[in-house]
Amino acid sequence: DGGITQSPKYLFRKEGQNVTLSCEQNLNHDAMYWYRQDPGQGLRLIYYSQIVNDFQKGDIAEGYSVSREKKESFPLTVTSAQKNPTAFYLCASRRQGRTTGELFFGEGSRLTVL
Amino acid sequence: KNEVEQSPQNLTAQEGEFITINCSYSVGISALHWLQQHPGGGIVSLFMLSSGKKKHGRLIATINIQEKHSSLHITASHPRDSAVYICAVIPFLMKTSYDKVIFGPGTSLSVIP
Repeated sequence: DGGITQSPKYLFRKEGQNVTLSCEQNLNHDAMYWYRQDPGQGLRLIYYSQIVNDFQKGDIAEGYSVSREKKESFPLTVTSAQKNPTAFYLCASRRQGRTTGELFFGEGSRLTVL
Repeated sequence: KNEVEQSPQNLTAQEGEFITINCSYSVGISALHWLQQHPGGGIVSLFMLSSGKKKHGRLIATINIQEKHSSLHITASHPRDSAVYICAVIPFLMKTSYDKVIFGPGTSLSVIP
């Protein structure tokens, strides 16, 4: 079955460490997104990518970095520059084109900084 | 003012009740999603619609493009429907070839047996 796989599901990090969250999709979608969710708040866009080797900053990109070397993969690195990285991170994808594609989400990764 | 608003923010219902969650938005859109997020965190898309009405099992979603309003209805609610329901819109942008999703704040639903 097609879908989005995020890993790890839970991650603990010490302050000052970079961590990378994986997002892989086998839906052949062009567009991929990373969102951050904090308790009681809506989803906020970190980065998005419409095509391989191209990505754009979202609303809260500071302290994060991404790459899009393959269509299927859109990893997110939470760097030590991110002041408050403890959050729930969601990856999503959708088909782009002349008609609007449905959004698909991964199961999320919960990052806790110790 | 947020571009996507939902009401109510929190909702508690007795099992079997008919439930309505509302979404209002202020931008032109190409589509609207209703999403369901369970306590574990994963999000599932329930509906994507750009006009009219869609039905899946006990769930019904409607949209009025002129009024910029959508509703999600749950008939014969059940405790397993307890979740956060999120409205998300995909804005229609004339000048660019990309688009972003704007999420509402979510409605937390609790269905009591």
